[in-house]
Amino acid sequence: DSGVTQTPKHLITATGQRVTLRCSPRSGDLSVYWYQQSLDQGLQFLIQYYNGEERAKGNILERFSAQQFPDLHSELNLSSLELGDSALYFCASSVISAGANVLTFGAGSRLTVL
Amino acid sequence: DQQVKQNSPSLSVQEGRISILNCDYTNSMFDYFLWYKKYPAEGPTFLISISSIKDKNEDGRFTVFLNKSAKHLSLHIVPSQPGDSAVYFCAASGGTGGFKTIFGAGTRLFVKA
Repeated sequence: DSGVTQTPKHLITATGQRVTLRCSPRSGDLSVYWYQQSLDQGLQFLIQYYNGEERAKGNILERFSAQQFPDLHSELNLSSLELGDSALYFCASSVISAGANVLTFGAGSRLTVL
Repeated sequence: DQQVKQNSPSLSVQEGRISILNCDYTNSMFDYFLWYKKYPAEGPTFLISISSIKDKNEDGRFTVFLNKSAKHLSLHIVPSQPGDSAVYFCAASGGTGGFKTIFGAGTRLFVKA
């Protein structure tokens, strides 16, 4: 158990629908990162929050949005879903180790859009 | 724009031999390079990192080498074990990207018993 909790583990929905993925970082970690992994592809950075504020943005579609709440949990909202949005969505929190920003990932949420 | 590239989708190695996983990057401003390992149905887990001011970092069976002039790094696993079979991601962070971590596409390692 990495300490980063993601729900739901699996989600099946239809095109055009809207879903919310939830993440709780490790206790004491202030950062939350969201990544998308499509089939046979690497981890694509979507967005980062630090203590409730957006810190960095990657290739996140306008149909997607995220926020981090005062209790530090985060939600990733995906709307007007398309078939191509089917992917694994990972959340991570981070700690500085020997100067490097080391990410600790949750087990992921697998989204299937039919 | 792929700033971090892993050109080998897969690698097969005999148990006990050396596994060498390669990674290239384009952004010379990265401060740190990291390797993560991922098993099926799990999130990636951190393996080892190296600062851009070093050329080698070792942790048990795992050693990462950095060649800044070639913008190339490699992960050596010696000796390889069947439990090392997983997908390995190369990642980079720092520089103008701040704490944003950019990942390569991953290399699937098979260690045969």
